[in-house]
Amino acid sequence: KNEVEQSPQNLTAQEGEFITINCSYSVGISALHWLQQHPGGGIVSLFMLSSGKKKHGRLIATINIQEKHSSLHITASHPRDSAVYICAVSSPDKLIFGTGTRLQVFP
Amino acid sequence: GAGVSQSPSNKVTEKGKDVELRCDPISGHTALYWYRQSLGQGLEFLIYFQGNSAPDKSGLPSDRFSAERTGGSVSTLTIQRTQQEDSAVYLCASSLGPLGPYEQYFGPGTRLTVT
Repeated sequence: KNEVEQSPQNLTAQEGEFITINCSYSVGISALHWLQQHPGGGIVSLFMLSSGKKKHGRLIATINIQEKHSSLHITASHPRDSAVYICAVSSPDKLIFGTGTRLQVFP
Repeated sequence: GAGVSQSPSNKVTEKGKDVELRCDPISGHTALYWYRQSLGQGLEFLIYFQGNSAPDKSGLPSDRFSAERTGGSVSTLTIQRTQQEDSAVYLCASSLGPLGPYEQYFGPGTRLTVT
């Protein structure tokens, strides 16, 4: 079993839909990161969380430390949100990555 | 200000040759990270530097891989006697503080192809 599990692996949505991507982990962490990777490979850090909730524009990330679970929400999704979303946790001296969720948003 | 830069952007090499990949972090960032992403695969953590030292080198795939960082800035990832399975995109990132509660900024990557 992977130390970081993401679901779903693939997700398709119509423009405007509310989207949720989940991440569960089984190790002790100091922080959890949500990353976005567009086709062509560039990676952008969306959020870094150690507790609670953060919001940037249409993106919201939450983390429940007790349950070892985080969610990334996208409100009013748009085709430009199409990308791979990656969850990663900071465990002592290394980052452990989930396998990513491929999101496609259709107009 | 400038972001994380990596060079070369693409490298094609013959099996058995050595290659050196370079990463220039954002000025003032004390932490630097190397990752690998094989075709169609997820991200794999290789090594992390805080300053010039790497607390844990166990993420390096084999003893053909080595990394160093000098002056708390530029880092090089060296792969000796390259093999075809080394073909991947090698990504570098940096952060203002140590691994954990600091946002990481990624470079564009070096695409390595071993023929």
